[in-house]
Amino acid sequence: GENVEQHPSTLSVQEGDSAVIKCTYSDSASNYFPWYKQELGKGPQLIIDIRSNVGEKKDQRIAVTLNKTAKHFSLHITETQPEDSAVYFCAARDSNYQLIWGAGTKLIIKP
Amino acid sequence: DAGVTQSPTHLIKTRGQHVTLRCSPISGHKSVSWYQQVLGQGPQFIFQYYEKEERGRGNFPDRFSARQFPNYSSELNVNALLLGDSALYLCASSLYPGQGTDTQYFGPGTRLTVL
Repeated sequence: GENVEQHPSTLSVQEGDSAVIKCTYSDSASNYFPWYKQELGKGPQLIIDIRSNVGEKKDQRIAVTLNKTAKHFSLHITETQPEDSAVYFCAARDSNYQLIWGAGTKLIIKP
Repeated sequence: DAGVTQSPTHLIKTRGQHVTLRCSPISGHKSVSWYQQVLGQGPQFIFQYYEKEERGRGNFPDRFSARQFPNYSSELNVNALLLGDSALYLCASSLYPGQGTDTQYFGPGTRLTVL
């Protein structure tokens, strides 16, 4: 079955700098990769997603890149702000349309 | 538009009891999925329902069951609660469980504590 690994588990960056979170997946049949942001005590919020027919997608300060050959995808946040502090999860949809999640990255924005 | 709603927000039960969690999807969404999120981990898939039919089941014991109603709302039932069932239970809705329409939107979750 699908397995998703996410790194790093914790990321601390200075406000205004960029943050990059990386994920790898095992099932080459996976074709949908969402990223979620989860704040304390809340449910995950979709921030961006990418499908396997696209290599990159951008939405303002957030971008996601996908390398199907290497089976990895990354989240890029530029010009980080205090409100970006949260736990970020990557996920991959397997052949049964189920989302398999990474373990999460705690992003800390230092003022 | 209202997002995904879940009730109750918090619940405390004792071992051996039974619990029912409820979810209402986004208006127009016909698919509901349930996830269990243990503190410090990513969500684990439990069930997916579409048009009242079970479309997928994760690696959870038979103590876990669910159903979907004609109005597309859903219930998750857990019998014979164990301490290890303490977690945040998340409900997600999507249009259909298919390509291009399967983006999942999550509710705030129900925090279950088993004592």
